[in-house]
Amino acid sequence: RKEVEQDPGPFNVPEGATVAFNCTYSNSASQSFFWYRQDCRKEPKLLMSVYSSGNEDGRFTAQLNRASQYISLLIRDSKLSDSATYLCVVKGNNAGNMLTFGGGTRLMVKP
Amino acid sequence: NAGVTQTPKFQVLKTGQSMTLQCAQDMNHNSMYWYRQDPGMGLRLIYYSASEGTTDKGEVPNGYNVSRLNKREFSLRLESAAPSQTSVYFCASRGPGNTEAFFGQGTRLTVV
Repeated sequence: RKEVEQDPGPFNVPEGATVAFNCTYSNSASQSFFWYRQDCRKEPKLLMSVYSSGNEDGRFTAQLNRASQYISLLIRDSKLSDSATYLCVVKGNNAGNMLTFGGGTRLMVKP
Repeated sequence: NAGVTQTPKFQVLKTGQSMTLQCAQDMNHNSMYWYRQDPGMGLRLIYYSASEGTTDKGEVPNGYNVSRLNKREFSLRLESAAPSQTSVYFCASRGPGNTEAFFGQGTRLTVV
């Protein structure tokens, strides 16, 4: 089993739709959680951190469920510019501050 | 503030050739990483350096070596390139605690 698993998609949604992605992680000792965004042929960039209490940034909401070991990302009112790959990232309690990446979920927002 | 700078951006090698990918960061981060990204595989950690003077293997270290030259620079070397090393390589750096990782723009390497 992969340490961090995501549905690769693609998720094809119309503009204005609400879309949600889930990610599961296997290491119950994981400490920190993030969503990164990666545009085609570009480097990953931080979208948002995921806190135990959940957090919201504009149209984006991230939730963490430690008991079930999953993280979610909700995007409301999708824009064409949201089309990208969304990477779920987990940091365990390991030396070196290492991050483990999921394979990514591809989102395509259509007019 | 340049962040993380990787060179080169593109490279084509013949099987058996060697090359070094360069990475430098100007954010005074202790931790630096090399990842490779292949279709459907996500980012996989090759090597990392928790601090200047230390390096450790990641998930897929075979065929690679690294050098943490100083706090700023972390290079990745392919001694004898193989077609299986065709990939996109990303360097990243990170501060302490739960801070985000910053990535370079990537190196697209093709081994023929």
